[in-house]
Amino acid sequence: DAGVTQSPTHLIKTRGQQVTLRCSPKSGHDTVSWYQQALGQGPQFIFQYYEEEERQRGNFPDRFSGHQFPNYSSELNVNALLLGDSALYLCASSWGGDQNTEAFFGQGTRLTVV
Amino acid sequence: GESVGLHLPTLSVQEGDNSIINCAYSNSASDYFIWYKQESGKGPQFIIDIRSNMDKRQGQRVTVLLNKTVKHLSLQIAATQPGDSAVYFCAESKYGNKLVFGAGTILRVKS
Repeated sequence: DAGVTQSPTHLIKTRGQQVTLRCSPKSGHDTVSWYQQALGQGPQFIFQYYEEEERQRGNFPDRFSGHQFPNYSSELNVNALLLGDSALYLCASSWGGDQNTEAFFGQGTRLTVV
Repeated sequence: GESVGLHLPTLSVQEGDNSIINCAYSNSASDYFIWYKQESGKGPQFIIDIRSNMDKRQGQRVTVLLNKTVKHLSLQIAATQPGDSAVYFCAESKYGNKLVFGAGTILRVKS
């Protein structure tokens, strides 16, 4: 079992560009959540996908969007990148959508906006 | 709004001693609490969880205590080892909703 995998591991983008991050959930998991973690802080919830739909959304602008595919993998897209978008982006997978079950995190994608 | 905070930003303990990491939460409606360990350059690693209908849960070398009266959560690590050095986060959730994380506590284990 490969666990939660994210790609790429590191990424450098220029302000104003767009970026797509990818996540494959742990085998058997159907729910994917995305978090942003600034240096020295705890992860902040961006949104959650279940059954290919966005179920919940945190306090992030519409520049942040996502998608979930039939195989439960997910993408996070960020448009019009700002310097403040530099962070570690974490994907977490779990099972059951609206149930509280153990969430497993990937190793994250380190995004640097210059 | 919802928030989860930690009392101590850094905790230093001697190898072999027990560690206690504390956390305060503000949302009394939260029904699920989790402790995560995050090592440098890695994603958070699940340690132990507890539901609001419990006040104590034990794992391997770890115990989580939940005091709903004062909205307090703690993680106890027995016989702390150098490999336990990391940042520890508590998180809360309500009815399968988003995880709300605190800022984290750095645990340093001295050999």
